[in-house]
Amino acid sequence: GAVVSQHPSRVICKSGTSVKIECRSLDFQATTMFWYRQFPKQSLMLMATSNEGSKATYEQGVEKDKFLINHASLTLSTLTVTSAHPEDSSFYICSATRTGATGELFFGEGSRLTVL
Amino acid sequence: GQQVMQIPQYQHVQEGEDFTTYCNSSTTLSNIQWYKQRPGGHPVFLIQLVKSGEVKKQKRLTFQFGEAKKNSSLHITATQTTDVGTYFCAGPSSNDYKLSFGAGTTVTVRA
Repeated sequence: GAVVSQHPSRVICKSGTSVKIECRSLDFQATTMFWYRQFPKQSLMLMATSNEGSKATYEQGVEKDKFLINHASLTLSTLTVTSAHPEDSSFYICSATRTGATGELFFGEGSRLTVL
Repeated sequence: GQQVMQIPQYQHVQEGEDFTTYCNSSTTLSNIQWYKQRPGGHPVFLIQLVKSGEVKKQKRLTFQFGEAKKNSSLHITATQTTDVGTYFCAGPSSNDYKLSFGAGTTVTVRA
C-alpha cells in the first residue's frame, strides 16, 4: 500500500518554542492531506485539511495562527505548532488520500509532542 | 452536522470468542471505512464498503454495511491476541469533503 512518512516521531520542547512536523507521501502525489490530533484513548480529531497550493481549511475551534499548515508540494505538508504550551502536548497524525477527500486514508506514523 | 457513533467503547474478549462492534450515522453515508490502530501505532485502513447491504470478509473479520447505509458492523470470530487494538469506523461528512471518525472500540484480549 501507499506510504506516508511523518517526522519527527517524538519531540520534546520548551514552552514558548515552535515545533515543525513534516508529513510526506513517499510513493504518490497527495493533493489533500489531513492533520489530526489524538488524545490518549480517544478518537482522531480532525484539525485541518491541507490543500496543495492553497490555504488550509481549519476545523471549528482550531486556531489557525497556532497551528500553521503549509502544503508547498504534492508530497509534503507541514504542521507548525507555534509558541507551544503544555496543553499542546498530544499525538499529531497526518494522513493523505489518493482518491479524493473521502477515499482511503494512508496515515503517517504520528508525532508525539511533549511541551515542558 | 454528521456524526458517526460507535459502540462499545471498550471490548474485553476471551481469546477464541467472537465479538461485534457497531457504527451508526445520523445521515446516509456514501461509504463507510474501517481502520485499526494498534497500541502505540497509527491507524491502518482495513476496508471500505460502498453498496447497501454489502458484506465483505477478511479472514476472521466480517464487515457489513446496512441496507439504509446509515450503520455498519465489524464482527471478529475466534479472537486472537493479534486482534488487540482500537477499531475505528469512518464515514464522509454531509458535504463529502472529509471523513468523520467514530470514537473507536478498543479491544483487549485475555488468554
